[in-house]
Amino acid sequence: LAKTTQPISMDSYEGQEVNITCSHNNIATNDYITWYQQFPSQGPRFIIQGYKTKVTNEVASLFIPADRKSSTLSLPRVSLSDTAVYYCLVGDTQMDSSYKLIFGSGTRLLVRP
Amino acid sequence: NAGVTQTPKFQVLKTGQSMTLQCAQDMNHNSMYWYRQDPGMGLRLIYYSASEGTTDKGEVPNGYNVSRLNKREFSLRLESAAPSQTSVYFCASTPSAGVTETQYFGPGTRLLVL
Repeated sequence: LAKTTQPISMDSYEGQEVNITCSHNNIATNDYITWYQQFPSQGPRFIIQGYKTKVTNEVASLFIPADRKSSTLSLPRVSLSDTAVYYCLVGDTQMDSSYKLIFGSGTRLLVRP
Repeated sequence: NAGVTQTPKFQVLKTGQSMTLQCAQDMNHNSMYWYRQDPGMGLRLIYYSASEGTTDKGEVPNGYNVSRLNKREFSLRLESAAPSQTSVYFCASTPSAGVTETQYFGPGTRLLVL
């Protein structure tokens, strides 16, 4: 299984850049890496997705090294509203070719004033 | 356009009781998923349906059954609830199966089994 490992929690201050790293040593060749954000009492919502190198959108950047065994979510200039749990998701193709989607344990980000 | 809806929002059961959690999406998505999230933990996939008429086990299927009633609806059934099934259950959908698709989540159903 393509298990993922993330830091349990991180603290930051408003205006700082936050980098959250996810390890996925057994990622499959065709798998993509996706990050989700979850606020309390809500379902997760999509942040960003990538396969290799760097991807950037209006809210975050995703850095993936050549070996793809890890990825780093970068949140520029965080605000209090970025306090949430962040999940790294990697698809896992089993021998029967079915996808078993596995979320990481999540990183609880606390942004302080 | 409501996206993904779930009913009920909250339920209390006694051990051994049965119930069905309902999920519906109005985005014409082919694939649907059921997850559970225990307090302070990440999401774990229970079952998924890659397309109408198909269902497959996820990471933690024991104690659950699912039905893909039609393209819009995907229900999760607990035949004999156990305290270990106390959790928040999330339904999600994607245009098609696969990790490259963005998952759209419902608001969740909070289940307490006494």
